[in-house]
Amino acid sequence: AQSVTQPDIHITVSEGASLELRCNYSYGATPYLFWYVQSPGQGLQLLLKYFSGDTLVQGIKGFEAEFKRSQSSFNLRKPSVHWSDAAEYFCAVGGSGNTGKLIFGQGTTLQVKP
Amino acid sequence: NAGVTQTPKFRILKIGQSMTLQCTQDMNHNYMYWYRQDPGMGLKLIYYSVGAGITDKGEVPNGYNVSRSTTEDFPLRLELAAPSQTSVYFCASTPRVNTEAFFGQGTRLTVV
Repeated sequence: AQSVTQPDIHITVSEGASLELRCNYSYGATPYLFWYVQSPGQGLQLLLKYFSGDTLVQGIKGFEAEFKRSQSSFNLRKPSVHWSDAAEYFCAVGGSGNTGKLIFGQGTTLQVKP
Repeated sequence: NAGVTQTPKFRILKIGQSMTLQCTQDMNHNYMYWYRQDPGMGLKLIYYSVGAGITDKGEVPNGYNVSRSTTEDFPLRLELAAPSQTSVYFCASTPRVNTEAFFGQGTRLTVV
């Protein structure tokens, strides 16, 4: 069965520091991978997605993620964090048949220190 | 662009009451979904629909019902509300499989 694990429930970084959020997935075939961000009281906004091709994908707000098949990982990175990046981040995997369903990780809450 | 619209944004229900969470999208998407979000649990799929007239259960369907009479609307019905249904509910849609989903702003439901 498909599954997604985000090992870090909560991360705190200083403003200007680099960020890496981890995501590991379990899926038999080539997965469709997504990172979403949720600001407090808001819905989910897509940051980036990986379907095929270049394993390093660029997203909005300066985020990028790298697909590593050998490690079953899709980690999210940002070189320099801004206070406005404080939010909850979700990794998700799709590709299950013809339903379009997404399986979400538990989420990682990012706190940014001034 | 309205996208996916959910109403209401907040609701408090008493145990045993029923209610319908409304979801409508104006993007002509065939696929629609209801998720619930609980702290530390991510989002869990309740029900989904691959087109008007077609619905199916997700991971956590007990206590809920859905219908899909039109492409635009996908209401979620709670019968006999229970405290375990206290959660934030998100509706989402996508035009086809294996592409991004678009989410509504969520409905925060408290059952007391």
